[in-house]
Amino acid sequence: GAVVSQHPSWVICKSGTSVKIECRSLDFQATTMFWYRQFPKQSLMLMATSNEGSKATYEQGVEKDKFLINHASLTLSTLTVTSAHPEDSSFYICSATPGTGAMEQYFGPGTRLTVT
Amino acid sequence: GENVEQHPSTLSVQEGDSAVIKCTYSDSASNYFPWYKQELGKRPQLIIDIRSNVGEKKDQRIAVTLNKTAKHFSLHITETQPEDSAVYFCAAITTGGFKTIFGAGTRLFVKA
Repeated sequence: GAVVSQHPSWVICKSGTSVKIECRSLDFQATTMFWYRQFPKQSLMLMATSNEGSKATYEQGVEKDKFLINHASLTLSTLTVTSAHPEDSSFYICSATPGTGAMEQYFGPGTRLTVT
Repeated sequence: GENVEQHPSTLSVQEGDSAVIKCTYSDSASNYFPWYKQELGKRPQLIIDIRSNVGEKKDQRIAVTLNKTAKHFSLHITETQPEDSAVYFCAAITTGGFKTIFGAGTRLFVKA
């Protein structure tokens, strides 16, 4: 149980284009989903927290107009990197919390974004 | 701002020995402390967690202790095996505001 999928697993795009990453909870309803960014050999940095049906809460320093998050249903959240630049290249991981009040976060497999 | 300090950054042990990783958090509102294991290129996997109303929790070879007064918690792995080699992250979470802060990670090497 508590499986989270992400798509695509990797993507290469040209500078200036936009990329959408999907995060799905497969066997549970996720009231809250989280988006993280991880650089090589570094820790996970929380980018934003999204609750189904409401606007995402972004961490300080994360541009909400650049990283668009949509949590349209209890099983799907999307992250769109708009006008991507090489410095946006990173490993993006989502996680989801089952139910309301639950604490455990279950992570997706991550998406490796390379912007050329 | 709030942060989580994790030590050591690298830990090398002989197979069968114990490994201890320590984290200190700053936000007194943190009430949930999970530990994750991440192998290269893979997702973090929850290995054990502890809530703020508990001082210690054990699951086979893995244990976690929490000292709320000192704001630190530790991961203990006994009888280490080569497959325990990975990066381990601690996190401090405030569930009310869903504030999540990860430690910098500890790269554990278990030598056969």
